[in-house]
Amino acid sequence: AQRVTQPEKLLSVFKGAPVELKCNYSYSGSPELFWYVQYSRQRLQLLLRHISRESIKGFTADLNKGETSFHLKKPFAQEEDSAMYYCALSGFGGQNFVFGPGTRLSVLP
Amino acid sequence: DTEVTQTPKHLVMGMTNKKSLKCEQHMGHRAMYWYKQKAKKPPELMFVYSYEKLSINESVPSRFSPECPNSSLLNLHLHALQPEDSALYLCASSQERDTYEQYFGPGTRLTVT
Repeated sequence: AQRVTQPEKLLSVFKGAPVELKCNYSYSGSPELFWYVQYSRQRLQLLLRHISRESIKGFTADLNKGETSFHLKKPFAQEEDSAMYYCALSGFGGQNFVFGPGTRLSVLP
Repeated sequence: DTEVTQTPKHLVMGMTNKKSLKCEQHMGHRAMYWYKQKAKKPPELMFVYSYEKLSINESVPSRFSPECPNSSLLNLHLHALQPEDSALYLCASSQERDTYEQYFGPGTRLTVT
């Protein structure tokens, strides 16, 4: 069965510092990976997906199939990046959508 | 309209009550989802509808009964709930099932007394 792990429950960085949110997954096929973000008092929303290879709000994520990882990175964190970040996986062929446990990012002034 | 709407925002119900949660989208999406989210936990998938047919039921107790009357509307009927069912219930939709990004509603905060 597919599984997503995010080792850090809470990550605190100072404004302007680089940030990396870790995500590892286990899946036997070719998954689709996503990062979702939930800002305070807002709905859960898609940040980016690996298949589009976009950079959203300065965030990027690269799928590393060898390490089964999909870490989220940003070179210079901003205070408005403070939020809950969920890594998620979807499999092809009727597999379920599963979220990781989430990492709360706190960007300090 | 690019939003998923959910009503009501908040719901308090007793263990003997019957109530329903409603979810609506007008983006032409053919997959709709119900999730349960407890405090400080990720959303847990409950049900998936694809083309108005139930395709996934994640071993959810029968006191939760989903319904998809049409492609834009998804209901979750609640009956004889337990206090541990208190949570945020999220609805989502996607263009097709599983392999497309999901758009989430704001959720219904349910409290069972």
